[in-house]
Amino acid sequence: GENVEQHPSTLSVQEGDSAVIKCTYSDSASNYFPWYKQELGKRPQLIIDIRSNVGEKKDQRIAVTLNKTAKHFSLHITETQPEDSAVYFCAASIGGYQKVTFGTGTKLQVIP
Amino acid sequence: EAGVVQSPRYKIIEKKQPVAFWCNPISGHNTLYWYLQNLGQGPELLIRYENEEAVDDSQLPKDRFSAERLKGVDSTLKIQPAELGDSAVYLCASSRGQMDEQFFGPGTRLTVL
Repeated sequence: GENVEQHPSTLSVQEGDSAVIKCTYSDSASNYFPWYKQELGKRPQLIIDIRSNVGEKKDQRIAVTLNKTAKHFSLHITETQPEDSAVYFCAASIGGYQKVTFGTGTKLQVIP
Repeated sequence: EAGVVQSPRYKIIEKKQPVAFWCNPISGHNTLYWYLQNLGQGPELLIRYENEEAVDDSQLPKDRFSAERLKGVDSTLKIQPAELGDSAVYLCASSRGQMDEQFFGPGTRLTVL
């Protein structure tokens, strides 16, 4: 089955700096890659996603890139703010949400 | 629009006891998922329903776990008997269909003593 690895497990940045989280996947058939943000004690929430026919997608301060050949994808957060502090999960699936495999999470701390 | 509702939010039981979790998905959502989330880990799919049919239960430990979605709306996940290693957060999610965004409920935090 699919295996998703995520790095780093923890990340501390100064407010205003950029943060980058990287993930790799094993199944070349995976074609959908959502990213979730989970605040402490809260539910995971989708923040951005990318499909395999696109190499990059941006939404305000958040961007995702995908390298299908290398089977890795990344989340980029620019101009970080304290409210960006949370655990971020990458995920991979084949054809939507049928079977989403999550990474192990990155705890992001934005220091004011 | 109300979100996915789960109850109870917290449950503490002793090992070998049974426990049940309830989920009410967003109205109109045909697909329902149960996930297990261990501390410091990402959610892991236990079972996925399309309406009342369990279309993927390959990761559900069927010796002690069971689930049902009898009328294709709300769902119950049961563990009998519970083991210490079952302590985790059980998340329910729903989506209009398997190709649509899934929305998570707040989860049930289970502690087995």
